[in-house]
Amino acid sequence: NAGVTQTPKFQVLKTGQSMTLQCAQDMNHEYMSWYRQDPGMGLRLIHYSVGAGITDQGEVPNGYNVSRSTTEDFPLRLLSAAPSQTSVYFCASSYSLREGKFFGPGTRLTVL
Amino acid sequence: RKEVEQDPGPFNVPEGATVAFNCTYSNSASQSFFWYRQDCRKEPKLLMSVYSSGNEDGRFTAQLNRASQYISLLIRDSKLSDSATYLCVINTGTASKLTFGTGTRLQVTL
Repeated sequence: NAGVTQTPKFQVLKTGQSMTLQCAQDMNHEYMSWYRQDPGMGLRLIHYSVGAGITDQGEVPNGYNVSRSTTEDFPLRLLSAAPSQTSVYFCASSYSLREGKFFGPGTRLTVL
Repeated sequence: RKEVEQDPGPFNVPEGATVAFNCTYSNSASQSFFWYRQDCRKEPKLLMSVYSSGNEDGRFTAQLNRASQYISLLIRDSKLSDSATYLCVINTGTASKLTFGTGTRLQVTL
């Protein structure tokens, strides 16, 4: 099992550009989430999904879109990048609500 | 008050020492509790879940005190490889939401 994979590992964008962060898991987990991690702050939930076709907003959803067409994939789209979106982005998955999550290796994004 | 609060540290301890971290939470409806470990520039990894009766995994012991709303992590016989940031994580049971503390940094030295 590859677990949770994320691409790209690093990305530099200019303000206003759009891009998609990819996330995939091969553990047949229903629950998938996107978090961002900034210095001095805990991980914050951006969007999450409880199954294919079902997504919802987390704590900091503005400027991001998600979709979940398959159980395996959960891409995060930045619509118009802003410097405030410079962060490390982690995708996570779990089998159930009560279990701990498996995290991907992260994507380090810089917006200039 | 923050939902989850941790002492940021750093805790500097010699190899072989015992060290303990506490984490307080504000939501009394919290249902699941976890400790994660995060190495520098890496993803968080689940260290252990925390159960009401307390639980142990090798050198690591986790405890939950619902009355005082805190969880703790005890590390015995610290190793150099234990150096990392330890994240306290709470699940209130609402959909997929976990609330993360900002972490406590541990540095184990020779």
